[in-house]
Amino acid sequence: QSALTQPPSASGSPGQSVTISCTGTSSDVGGYNYVSWYQQHPGKAPKLMIYEVTKRPSGVPDRFSGSKSGNTASLTVSGLQAEDEADYYCSSYAVNNNWVFGGGTKLTVL
Amino acid sequence: QLQLQESGPGLVKPSETLSLTCSVSGGFISSSSYYWGWIRQPPGKGLEWIGTIYYSGSTYYSPSLKSRVTMSVDTSKNQFSLKLTSVTAADTAVYYCARQRGYSFNYWGQGTLVTVSS
Repeated sequence: QSALTQPPSASGSPGQSVTISCTGTSSDVGGYNYVSWYQQHPGKAPKLMIYEVTKRPSGVPDRFSGSKSGNTASLTVSGLQAEDEADYYCSSYAVNNNWVFGGGTKLTVL
Repeated sequence: QLQLQESGPGLVKPSETLSLTCSVSGGFISSSSYYWGWIRQPPGKGLEWIGTIYYSGSTYYSPSLKSRVTMSVDTSKNQFSLKLTSVTAADTAVYYCARQRGYSFNYWGQGTLVTVSS
């Protein structure tokens, strides 16, 4: 099972919006609506931000939103804030009871 | 509040077996609503799913690690465990345990660094 493809970096100024992509195949992202997104600050454990493509856990700001088209999922962060600077990882359920992560995207708030 | 805590040796010699335990507090590992997983992260690199276990003992392993991984659960101690055999330097990573709800990992332990070195 290959890792999902994410851009290594993304950036935006405070108040702007930024979108991070996550590309897989029909065996993972494209085949199931089970894409999740995680935020990880340096030295910390990942935190679930989006699950099942578009859903936000309680406590996650509505500035974070998810979507999917075909084999590519996306995370959009609107109204960027300094605390949004972190690494972001996508994950997807994959065929035969597997889970696969993306390589991660470092989001910089300029 | 659910808490997960990884424990085990921080240093393992090459070719030996890495053994970690995840202790769960604030919730029951025998809940039918959740699965429990292990994920690792090599220094400076991305996340890698290792495997998932249900309280009944059903397991799912990463195809790339399946030949070396064994996961088990001890409901009496509210713990689940990971064993990874024949380790090499490539297995050096921070190992996280996590609770799975549905198809996502919604609670994570703080992680524990395991270094493979002689």
